[in-house]
Parts: sequence; C-alpha cells; structure tokens
Amino acid sequence: DIVMTQSPDSLAVSLGERATINCRSSQSVLYSPNNKNYLAWYQQKPGQPPRLLIYWASTRESGVPDRFSGSGSGTDFTLTISSLQAEDVAVYYCQQYYSTPHTFGQGTKLEIK
Amino acid sequence: QVQLQESGPGLVKPSQTLSLTCTVSGGSMSSGSDYWNWIRQPAGKGLEWIGRIYASGTIDYNPSLKSRVTMSVDTSKNQFSLKVNSVTAADTAIYYCARGTPLTTGGAFDPWGQGTLVTVSS
Repeated sequence: DIVMTQSPDSLAVSLGERATINCRSSQSVLYSPNNKNYLAWYQQKPGQPPRLLIYWASTRESGVPDRFSGSGSGTDFTLTISSLQAEDVAVYYCQQYYSTPHTFGQGTKLEIK
Repeated sequence: QVQLQESGPGLVKPSQTLSLTCTVSGGSMSSGSDYWNWIRQPAGKGLEWIGRIYASGTIDYNPSLKSRVTMSVDTSKNQFSLKVNSVTAADTAIYYCARGTPLTTGGAFDPWGQGTLVTVSS
C-alpha cells in the first residue's frame, strides 16, 4: 500500500495569511506515460462529506476559489491557501489514486489564529 | 448533476452483517468509465477506502477488509451496495459512497454522498 503522510497535523493561521499543508507519499504517484500525478486534495467541514478541491496534484476543481492551489510531483506535494478566509476552517486530506488501495493522509486540521 | 445518497440500517449487532445501498441520481451509472466507491470514517478519525465497483461488475477491495466485504451493482436501479460481515465495534463509522471519474480527473472522488452513520452495538 502507498502510505500518505501529511504535515502538520494541525495548523493555526491568521485571516488573510498563507496556509501551507504538505503531503508525502511512500512511493511515487507520477504516471510516466501521461506525466500526471494521481494525487487529490479534499476539504472536510464538520458534519459534511469531503469535497474535492484539487486533482492531478494541481488542477483546481470547478467552483473552487483560486486562493487554493496545489503543487508538487512524484512523492512530495503541497496545498496552499494564499489568503485564509474564515470559511476555510476545515480538515484537509490528501489522497493517492495511483494504485489500489486508494489511500488518504491522516488529515490536517486548519484553524484561525 | 450527479448526486449520491447512502441508505441502510443505522444500528447493527456485533457479528452480524452491515448492509448499505448507494443510489445514484442525475446520471446513469452505466455511462462512461466511472467507478463507484465506498469509504468510511470513524468518528473523529480519518478516511479509509473500502473498495470500488464498476458498472461492469469489476471490483477492487481494500485488502485490509477484503475477507469481510462484498460489493454489488444494479445498474437497472442505478444503485450499488456494500456488505460487511462479522462486524465489531471497530466497524462503527460514517460510511460514504463516492464516484471516481477516470476520464475527467484521473479517478479522484467527486461527488460524495452525505454519509450514513452505522453503529455496531448490541
């Protein structure tokens, strides 16, 4: 199984400041034939299901604000929120869908400082 | 747009079988190359992928649960189902269904159902 490890486990950021969440996979999730990373980011607010934010490591899902961006390749990835808004308080998960079993990171809880 | 909704008993006794159904609306399960997933989340914890099924009936299970899990699909009803046998308290969780979309996202999960809480208790 590919193990996904996020850091930090929790993060407190001031409104309007940048938030950065890291995700590392135990093996590469880059598929060489199409040069795409099979890595997604999800946002989960209390009492709600996860919401897809980013797929292929850096492609923003339709309707996701452009303050959310994803980067990285191979085994190291980052989710960045450029200017934190109150509504961004949530738990964020990375997920690899390169191979089964699809696996998630343990989650990063993002709060307002 | 496509929506998913889980249904099934909220309480299951230990050693019995947990059975859930996910109903897909707003689109046909049979169209395209999409696959249909089950994921669970114990209270206050992270996400665990249980497995996926294609409309063709092809299935991939998480090896950690494979011996106790059965998935099936009924495209005529636009539904897919999950059974977990010999449940224990460790199977208590919110169970989600979600669509994987290989053609558009490579297989990321979108959308998700709202989730249904299943409690294993006597």
